[in-house]
Parts: sequence; structure tokens; C-alpha cells
Amino acid sequence: LAKTTQPISMDSYEGQEVNITCSHNNIATNDYITWYQQFPSQGPRFIIQGYKTKVTNEVASLFIPADRKSSTLSLPRVSLSDTAVYYCLVLNSYKLSFGAGTTVTVRA
Amino acid sequence: DTGVSQDPRHKITKRGQNVTFRCDPISEHNRLYWYRQTLGQGPEFLTYFQNEAQLEKSRLLSDRFSAERPKGSFSTLEIQRTEQGDSAMYLCASSLSERTSGSLYNNEQFFGPGTRLTVL
Repeated sequence: LAKTTQPISMDSYEGQEVNITCSHNNIATNDYITWYQQFPSQGPRFIIQGYKTKVTNEVASLFIPADRKSSTLSLPRVSLSDTAVYYCLVLNSYKLSFGAGTTVTVRA
Repeated sequence: DTGVSQDPRHKITKRGQNVTFRCDPISEHNRLYWYRQTLGQGPEFLTYFQNEAQLEKSRLLSDRFSAERPKGSFSTLEIQRTEQGDSAMYLCASSLSERTSGSLYNNEQFFGPGTRLTVL
């Protein structure tokens, strides 16, 4: 499994864009990059998945450079309800491997 | 509600007692997973079923732990002779296999709310 490194925490304010970068230097050719979100006392929720370039959905965008050694999750115009832990996963298996994640705190 | 459900949501037990948790996956999902999460950490994989077959077990799953999915629908996770170190959130997730979903690869698993176990 590729090791991932992401910041432990990030603070932001309502209405701002939040960008969380994840490093994964030893990503394998057949690995996908997947992000999950987890609120307190709830199970994780899938946000977005990508292989290369850019992926966008109604919740977030995922930017992956050509070398795929890092990726950036972008949350546009965050609100207080986006306060959560965000996990970056790099794998090609059903066996999800979560690190400690990035705790994003959005303030009013 | 058509999401993944887990029962109970909370369980407090004394050391040495047996506990059993239940997970009801999304009805059309053929894959079911159990994870364990301790405070401040991300979830850790425990085991995985495809239909009724248990295809993988983590080394974290000691012989005190057993999981079943008898008819390929709901699943149970039993912990025998509980220890204080078993205190954690136990999460269940379900998904479609790649062949069923039609996607080349799919890491999207749908998680339930979890069962929080406290062993006194």
C-alpha cells in the first residue's frame, strides 16, 4: 500500500476555499486516489476518486499532477458543516487503509 | 432509509463478556466489510465478505472475533471474552463489486453509523 502524508489539521472560515494536499510518493501504476470525509460519531463518507488530472463532482474537486505523487482535494466555499476529518487513500483494493486524516475546522 | 444500519449504536459491557453486533448493508450490495476505529485514528480493516463468503481477515481479528454473513445479507460480528483493548467504534460498510457496478475500479464503500463498544 502506498504511504500517504497529509496535514494533521487545517483551519478555515466560512465561504473560503480549502485545499488539502496529500503526498503519496510511492503510488503504484494501478492505484487510485480516493478521499473520504468523516463527521464525529459517524462512519466515513466517500467524497471523490480519481486517477489523473482533474475530477470534479458536486462536493469537491480533485487535482492530480502528471507524476501522481501528490493530490489536492479542493472544497469550494466551505460552511460550518464541512468541519470534519478528511482522509486521503491511495490503493487499488477493496481493503481501505485510512491514516489519521486531516481535521478541517471551519469557523464563522 | 436505504443506507447501512448497525445495531446497537452503543454497547457497554464488562470485561470477559461476549458481545454481538449486527450490520444490515444496502440491499443490493454484495460486498460487506467490518472496520474498527479507535479515538484519533482512521478506521482499520478487519474483514470482508463477498456474498456469504468471508474472503479476507486481518491479523487484527484475533480468534476471539468471529464474523458471519449467513445468507449474504446482514452480518454479525461477535467478540468473545471482551478485553478493555477491544473498546472502539466498530464500523460496517457495503459496496458493489467492480463487475456488478460496471466501473473499472471502485473504492466507494458506504459506511454505517458504527457501534461504539466500551469494555469496563
